[in-house]
Amino acid sequence: QKEVEQNSGPLSVPEGAIASLNCTYSDRVSQSFFWYRQYSGKSPELIMSIYSNGDKEDGRFTAQLNKASQYVSLLIRDSQPSDSATYLCAVKRYSSASKIIFGSGTRLSIRP
Amino acid sequence: SAVISQKPSRDICQRGTSLTIQCQVDSQVTMMFWYRQQPGQSLTLIATANQGSEATYESGFVIDKFPISRPNLTFSTLTVSNMSPEDSSIYLCSVEVSGGNTEAFFGQGTRLTVV
Repeated sequence: QKEVEQNSGPLSVPEGAIASLNCTYSDRVSQSFFWYRQYSGKSPELIMSIYSNGDKEDGRFTAQLNKASQYVSLLIRDSQPSDSATYLCAVKRYSSASKIIFGSGTRLSIRP
Repeated sequence: SAVISQKPSRDICQRGTSLTIQCQVDSQVTMMFWYRQQPGQSLTLIATANQGSEATYESGFVIDKFPISRPNLTFSTLTVSNMSPEDSSIYLCSVEVSGGNTEAFFGQGTRLTVV
C-alpha cells in the first residue's frame, strides 16, 4: 500500500463547476497535510495546508481532513481553465526525519 | 515563505559525467530536501540535507551517486554522479522555513537530460 494515494485522473470538470480531489494516507501518525498545484514544466506550488479535522477555506479552495478515515480532500469551486494542472497531495508525520511524502498526483482538466 | 534560487535551471550532460545543482535560500531554514521527479511521475525524496553533517538518504539513494553538501543554513548542493540516461529527471530543492507552519516550498527545479 502506498503511503499517500490519489486517483491519477485525468479528472475533467466543466468550467464553473466544483472539482473534487481526493487523497488517502496510510500512516495514522501523520499530522500535517498539504495540497500542491503543479503546472506542466513548473515546480509544485503550495495552495493549501490543513492540520486539524474539518474544513479549511481559502478563496475558491476548501481542504477537508478526516483523520479517523485517513482521508483528505480538496474542493475547487467555480473552476477556471487556469485551474487545469496536476494536484499533489502531501503528508507529513512528525518523526526524527520530519519529511513530506507526496502522492502520485491527480491531473485536473477544466473544460470551457 | 522563502525565495529559493536553484541553478542551473536545465542542462544536457554526457553519460559518465557529473553535475552539481545549487540551491540558495534568501533566509535561514531549518530543513532542506532534495527531490527527484521523473517524467510523468510524482516527487520522490532523495535525501534530507543536514547542516554541518552527512545527509540522510532515502531507500534507493546512496551518497556515492548523490553526494549532498549543506555548509550553512541557506545553501545546499546536490551532485548527480556518473550519470546515465536513467538519471534524466527534474531535480527539486525544497525548504521548510524556520518558525513557519512546516510547509515546504520548492525551487524552480533543474531539468537534467543525460545523453
